[in-house]
Amino acid sequence: TAGITQAPTSQILAAGRSMTLRCTQDMRHNAMYWYRQDLGLGLRLIHYSNTAGTTGKGEVPDGYSVSRANTDDFPLTLASAVPSQTSVYFCASSVSGTATDTQYFGPGTRLTVL
Amino acid sequence: GQNIDQPTEMTATEGAIVQINCTYQTSGFNGLFWYQQHAGEAPTFLSYNVLDGLEEKGRFSSFLSRSKGYSYLLLKELQMKDSASYLCAVRDGDYKLSFGAGTTVTVRA
Repeated sequence: TAGITQAPTSQILAAGRSMTLRCTQDMRHNAMYWYRQDLGLGLRLIHYSNTAGTTGKGEVPDGYSVSRANTDDFPLTLASAVPSQTSVYFCASSVSGTATDTQYFGPGTRLTVL
Repeated sequence: GQNIDQPTEMTATEGAIVQINCTYQTSGFNGLFWYQQHAGEAPTFLSYNVLDGLEEKGRFSSFLSRSKGYSYLLLKELQMKDSASYLCAVRDGDYKLSFGAGTTVTVRA
């Protein structure tokens, strides 16, 4: 079972360029999430989706956008990257976004914006 | 906002016991999670507490006191492979997870 996959594994991006980080899950989970992890700050929620067709803003949404066209995919787009978006990005999913269930994480994408 | 505090680093000897404390202040409470994260890897689920008391899972146990806003993760019979970062996360009233910065545990031979 693949679980959650993310692509690319790592990327170096010039400031001002756009990029889409991909996330796919095969567990038929309704809820999906994007986090960024920075040293000393822990994981912070960027955007989430409780079900296909809906999205919501997390703690640090500025500079990022998401879409949820179907259950399996939840891409994260940086429209115009800035150096402060250098981070490790994790996608996660859970059965439901409004119940007491566990979130499972993908392997992460390491992004460097120069 | 959410406030979740845990120590930055801890060191212990192989075979010993280590207790990682976590204190929290959040808007609502719908459970507390502990995750393990090895360097360069994804967080993996360890334990979940929603009621007060101790949950035991093999060498790992987790305790919760909701009235004190306090939890701990107890790692017994430490092994070298337990060297990792341990993340405390609280599910708030909107069912969103807020994470502490993590505690890096180093196990020495």
